[in-house]
Amino acid sequence: AQSVTQLDSQVPVFEEAPVELRCNYSSSVSVYLFWYVQYPNQGLQLLLKYLSGSTLVKGINGFEAEFNKSQTSFHLRKPSVHISDTAEYFCAVSYSGGSNYKLTFGKGTLLTVNP
Amino acid sequence: DADVTQTPRNRITKTGKRIMLECSQTKGHDRMYWYRQDPGLGLRLIYYSFDVKDINKGEISDGYSVSRQAQAKFSLSLESAIPNQTALYFCATSDSKRGGTAAEQYFGPGTRLTVT
Repeated sequence: AQSVTQLDSQVPVFEEAPVELRCNYSSSVSVYLFWYVQYPNQGLQLLLKYLSGSTLVKGINGFEAEFNKSQTSFHLRKPSVHISDTAEYFCAVSYSGGSNYKLTFGKGTLLTVNP
Repeated sequence: DADVTQTPRNRITKTGKRIMLECSQTKGHDRMYWYRQDPGLGLRLIYYSFDVKDINKGEISDGYSVSRQAQAKFSLSLESAIPNQTALYFCATSDSKRGGTAAEQYFGPGTRLTVT
């Protein structure tokens, strides 16, 4: 069964500092990988996704993530964060083969950007 | 107007009451999902529907039921609410023509349910 581990439940940083939110997945088959963001009192929205091809994926709001198959990781990065990036971030994985519907989410990482 | 709407946005109910949460979408997507979010647990899938006649249980379906009244509407019911069903509930949609399991899911704003 697929699973997702987000290694940090909370990440506090100062404005303009770089940030990395870590995500590891376990699966014996090829997967698709996603990062979603949830701003306070809102639903989730897609930041970026990896389907195939280049292992470096760029998303909205200056975020990017790197797929590392050997490490089974998909870490999210931003070189300089803003106060407005304060939100909860979820890593998610689905199978790339067959009709499997399942999108499995990690438990989330709360990013707090302080002035 | 929002593409995925949920009603109500907030609800407080008592143990043993029946409650229905509703989800509507204008995106024309065929697939719809219900998740619950609990602090520190992420999102867990309750039920999903690939079309009006295809409804499936997710990982935590006990105590819940669903109805897909039309392609655009997917309702979640708690037949007899209990306090541990207090959570934030999200509806989501996706388009199977946009890549199957690679397709992005679009989320509603959520319903905060409290069972006392």
